[in-house]
Amino acid sequence: AQTVTQSQPEMSVQEAETVTLSCTYDTSESDYYLFWYKQPPSRQMILVIRQEAYKQQNATENRFSVNFQKAAKSFSLKISDSQLGDAAMYFCAYRSTFGNEKLTFGTGTRLTIIP
Amino acid sequence: NAGVTQTPKFRILKIGQSMTLQCTQDMNHNYMYWYRQDPGMGLKLIYYSVGAGITDKGEVPNGYNVSRSTTEDFPLRLELAAPSQTSVYFCASSYGHPNTGELFFGEGSRLTVL
Repeated sequence: AQTVTQSQPEMSVQEAETVTLSCTYDTSESDYYLFWYKQPPSRQMILVIRQEAYKQQNATENRFSVNFQKAAKSFSLKISDSQLGDAAMYFCAYRSTFGNEKLTFGTGTRLTIIP
Repeated sequence: NAGVTQTPKFRILKIGQSMTLQCTQDMNHNYMYWYRQDPGMGLKLIYYSVGAGITDKGEVPNGYNVSRSTTEDFPLRLELAAPSQTSVYFCASSYGHPNTGELFFGEGSRLTVL
């Protein structure tokens, strides 16, 4: 079974600075998806960024980018120019391309933005 | 386009009561899921469905039941509610493979069992 580990329960960053959230995962599969979801106080799960394992290029969405290291099974999220609205819980998630294709989540990192 | 809609958003139950959390999606997704999120934790899969008439257990199915009579609807039934079922419940849906891999989530339902 796949597992996802987020070793940083809490992180904080000064507004306008850059922060990196860590995620590692364990799998025996070669093809899969990785995601970062954001959960603000409203509880809604919002997709931040996705990465397909077969793509070597790191995904980027505006101020959000990932560092995907397939051999090391690492998938970190970098947030540049942090804004107050980035404050939330961030969840790393893994999804197989086979079977029921469920998402397996990490335990989350709570990000605080310091004005 | 409403996406994934869950009702109710909040509910308080007494121990031993039963209830159904409703979930409907209007994106014609084949796959639907129920997750629960306990405080400070990630989401754990309760049940999932890969299409109408097909359901299967996830990681934490005990105390719950589901049905999938239509593509749109995937209700979650709690029988004999227990304090351990106090949690926030999320319904989600997605296309089947191949697809973008993304799950679309509802806004969650906060359930308290006293």
